[in-house]
Order: sequence, then structure tokens, then C-alpha cells
Amino acid sequence: AQSVTQLGSHVSVSEGALVLLRCNYSSSVPPYLFWYVQYPNQGLQLLLKYTSAATLVKGINGFEAEFKKSETSFHLTKPSAHMSDAAEYFCAVSPNYGGATNKLIFGTGTLLAVQP
Amino acid sequence: DTGVSQNPRHKITKRGQNVTFRCDPISEHNRLYWYRQTLGQGPEFLTYFQNEAQLEKSRLLSDRFSAERPKGSFSTLEIQRTEQGDSAMYLCASSARGGSYNEQFFGPGTRLTVL
Repeated sequence: AQSVTQLGSHVSVSEGALVLLRCNYSSSVPPYLFWYVQYPNQGLQLLLKYTSAATLVKGINGFEAEFKKSETSFHLTKPSAHMSDAAEYFCAVSPNYGGATNKLIFGTGTLLAVQP
Repeated sequence: DTGVSQNPRHKITKRGQNVTFRCDPISEHNRLYWYRQTLGQGPEFLTYFQNEAQLEKSRLLSDRFSAERPKGSFSTLEIQRTEQGDSAMYLCASSARGGSYNEQFFGPGTRLTVL
């Protein structure tokens, strides 16, 4: 069965500092991987996705993530945090095989706080 | 493009009552998903429709839950005899047919509070 582990339920950084949110997946075959962001009382917005093309994926708002098969990781980074980045971030995996329903399996989320 | 819409946005009900939520997906998206998100957790998959056919249901979807998508457009999720444990955010997502990956677009969710 596929699963996702997000290390660190809360991460706090200073404005302008590097953001690093960790995600490890478990899957028998390389899956599709996603990062979503959720602002309070809102739905989820897709930041970026890995679909077995380039291993370094660039997303919206300056975020990027690197797929590392050897480490089964898909960590999210941003060189310089903005106050507006404060939100909850979810890593998700989706099966990548014929006939799959493509449902998303989410991690438990990381709440990012940005200090002035 | 109006995005995925969900109604109502908030619902407060008493234990034992029935509730129904509606999801309108992005036009022409043939895939529709329901997820449930409890406080401090990531969303959990409930069920999936391709057009009007319900193709997968999670074990989380007890007999009190039923979902429909009668004409392959909007969908409804009904919870009968609500329990306090049903309190959660219910999220709907849709995606287009085909493609090699599954980009799902989420609605704003319906927050259910069972008293």
C-alpha cells in the first residue's frame, strides 16, 4: 500500500530564510507525487507535481521539489520565505499504474509559520 | 472557469439528523472525488466517480454515507443519522479525463459540525 510521511507537523522560519518541508513516500512503483497548500478555511491548491519527467520540479510562488528515488523523498523547498507563505502544506501520492483511480493519499500536513 | 464549488460551506446539525452536501465540479471534468479532513489531519479519500459511475469507495464510507452523481455532473454526499465523529471538512475535487497524471482541483469544502 502507498503512504506518505511528512516529518515535522510544525515548522517555523524567519522571513527571508530557506523553507524546507520534508516528505517521504512508500510505494512499490514510482508514483505520482504532489504538494498542495491549504490556507485557513479554504480548499487545497496545487503547488507542484512530479509525473516521472524531470526530477526537479518547479511550482508556483517560487516553490520547488526534487524527486529522489534512492531516498524515496520529495522534499519541498523555497529559497526565501514570505509572510504570505504561512499555511499548511500537504504532500500526496497517487498510484501510477493502469486502471488506478488516481485517488490521492495525503500526509498529515506541515504547518508553516513565518516570523517577521 | 468558476472552479469547483461546494454548498453549503458550513453546516451545523444535531446528532441523529441527516445532512446532504453538494459539489459542482469544473465543467467537463468527468472524474469527481470526495475526501474527508478532520482537524490536524490530511484529507482522506472517501469515494470516486467517473462520469455517473461510482468506481471506488473507501472503508471509511460506512453504510450511513451515500454519494451520487446522477447525470455525471454535480454530486451529492448524504450522511444519515449523523454522529459527532462525522464532524469534519468534506472536500470535493474534480479532474479531467485522460492525461498521464491526476491533477485534482479542490473546492473550498463543507465544514460539518455535529452537536
